[in-house]
Amino acid sequence: GQQLNQSPQSMFIQEGEDVSMNCTSSSIFNTWLWYKQDPGEGPVLLIALYKAGELTSNGRLTAQFGITRKDSFLNISASIPSDVGIYFCASNSGGSNYKLTFGKGTLLTVNP
Amino acid sequence: DTEVTQTPKHLVMGMTNKKSLKCEQHMGHRAMYWYKQKAKKPPELMFVYSYEKLSINESVPSRFSPECPNSSLLNLHLHALQPEDSALYLCASSQRGGATGELFFGEGSRLTVL
Repeated sequence: GQQLNQSPQSMFIQEGEDVSMNCTSSSIFNTWLWYKQDPGEGPVLLIALYKAGELTSNGRLTAQFGITRKDSFLNISASIPSDVGIYFCASNSGGSNYKLTFGKGTLLTVNP
Repeated sequence: DTEVTQTPKHLVMGMTNKKSLKCEQHMGHRAMYWYKQKAKKPPELMFVYSYEKLSINESVPSRFSPECPNSSLLNLHLHALQPEDSALYLCASSQRGGATGELFFGEGSRLTVL
């Protein structure tokens, strides 16, 4: 089946540092989504990407859809304590496919 | 605030109980989903309803029974669950399925089976 390899698994950073995480796959995808999940809450959609090469920002967050359509990265600039949580990439191969494939998540800890 | 509302937020039930989880969205979305999530793992798809019809059942045991009374509501009926069914149950909706892909999740119902 399709798999997304998300890395790193976890990150411990100081407040103010920049963060980068990525997802790769051997399969081609039509959509890349990045979600953040706080403990005990549902995932919240941060950024959606639909075109190869697309670069999209949402405040301090920037994400890109890789040219090969097999990867994506998410950058967070000037991290703050509330950035703590688990970040998931997710992707959809398109067509009539309702299934999202999720990465295993990146656990981010920000030390004030 | 999420526009997908789930109730209850927490549920504790015994293995012989019958209970239901409820989900509501008012975004006019035509696809609704149930996911199960264990701690520090990604969500796992259970069911998809598209235009109020069940379109995907990911081989979920029959002790979980979904129901979509109308385009805004999604229920998950629970009966004779096992302790290993304890998890966060997430409801999600999307404008439609397929290439759009953007799922909007509720805050989840934390289920504990004793």
